[in-house]
Order: sequence, then structure tokens, then C-alpha cells
Amino acid sequence: DGGITQSPKYLFRKEGQNVTLSCEQNLNHDAMYWYRQDPGQGLRLIYYSQIVNDFQKGDIAEGYSVSREKKESFPLTVTSAQKNPTAFYLCASSQDRRILNTEAFFGQGTRLTVV
Amino acid sequence: DQQVKQNSPSLSVQEGRISILNCDYTNSMFDYFLWYKKYPAEGPTFLISISSIKDKNEDGRFTVFLNKSAKHLSLHIVPSQPGDSAVYFCAASAYGGATNKLIFGTGTLLAVQP
Repeated sequence: DGGITQSPKYLFRKEGQNVTLSCEQNLNHDAMYWYRQDPGQGLRLIYYSQIVNDFQKGDIAEGYSVSREKKESFPLTVTSAQKNPTAFYLCASSQDRRILNTEAFFGQGTRLTVV
Repeated sequence: DQQVKQNSPSLSVQEGRISILNCDYTNSMFDYFLWYKKYPAEGPTFLISISSIKDKNEDGRFTVFLNKSAKHLSLHIVPSQPGDSAVYFCAASAYGGATNKLIFGTGTLLAVQP
């Protein structure tokens, strides 16, 4: 089955520690994204990548870092510089719009809690 | 600057009636619009989309209307069912430059009462 997988589903981190959220897709999609959901604020774009070895900052990139070494993988690191890291994190992927207008597919999300 | 806005945080509808969810946008470069449905602690699932060359797209009980001059789109669900109760997000993207960047609204919580 093709899809997008995020792990872990729940993650606890001590304040001051970095933590990496995994996102893998086997849809052969070129583009991948990370969003953050907070109550009442919708989905806010953290980082996105349109091709391997390239990524761009979204609206709230501060305190986060990403890499895109492989087409199927787009891990997100929440660093200690992120002031309010507790949130629900969503990864998504889509085909390149230059090829086809199509929807983005989402993973099931990772709930990160800083303790 | 919120480029995609959903001004109604919640909506309550009786089962069998029509649900109308609204979305406004400010960026005239947006040319592709999508609606997603989301349950708590899950990822959003795609519902329906519309390209800016159309003003209506229908898929079963779901119809999306686009009014480009008003920069407004709406999602109609007819008839509404209790299983439709969820948060609905509209999203938009603009071809060119950041070709795949999807901008989401803040969501509308739909409650369909049996």
C-alpha cells in the first residue's frame, strides 16, 4: 500500500533537547512538507521541499531544521531554539504541480510534548 | 498575514440538511483550491478540489464553488450525515515560484446533529 508514514505517534522531550520526527513516503512524490497544528491556528507551514537536496522555509521555520537526502524521506528536527515546541506535527507529500494538479497526502501526525 | 481565511470556527447542522462551509482568500495568484477533512489526532484527508478555470466541482455529496471575483470558495455537503462531523480546512496554492506550497485556513468545526 502506498502512503506516508510518520513516527513516532507520540513523543516526549525534555526542555533543551533536540528531537527528530520521521516522515517517509512511498508514493514517489517529489514534494514534501511539514506543518504544525495548534488549537485555533490551522495548519502552519514549517518547511517544504520540492526536490531532493533542496528545501525552503515556510512561515514558521525558526527553531526547526530539515534535510532531504532521499526522495522518500523528509525528517524534521525540533531544536532547543524552538520556543513553543509542544504541538501536533503533520507531514505531507504531493506530486509536482508542474506535472499535475493534485492533492497533498498527509501522514497520521506526531504529537510532541515538551516536559 | 492570513492569506486563506475561514471566518466561522464552528458550524452546527441537522442531519439531512445542507452544510455550507466558507473560505476567503487574499492572494489573487492562487489557482488551485482544496478541501480537507480532519478528525482529532489524525492527518487531514483530501475531500475535493477545484482549479481556477472552473467555478464548480461536484463529487457525490460534496460540491465546491469558486467565485474568483470575490476571492471566495465554499463547500456544500448535501445531505449532511453525522459521520461528516470533523474539522474542515480549505487550502490554496499558486502555480509558479513555490509551485507546491499549500496554504491552509484555520479550519471550521462541523457538527452534524442526528
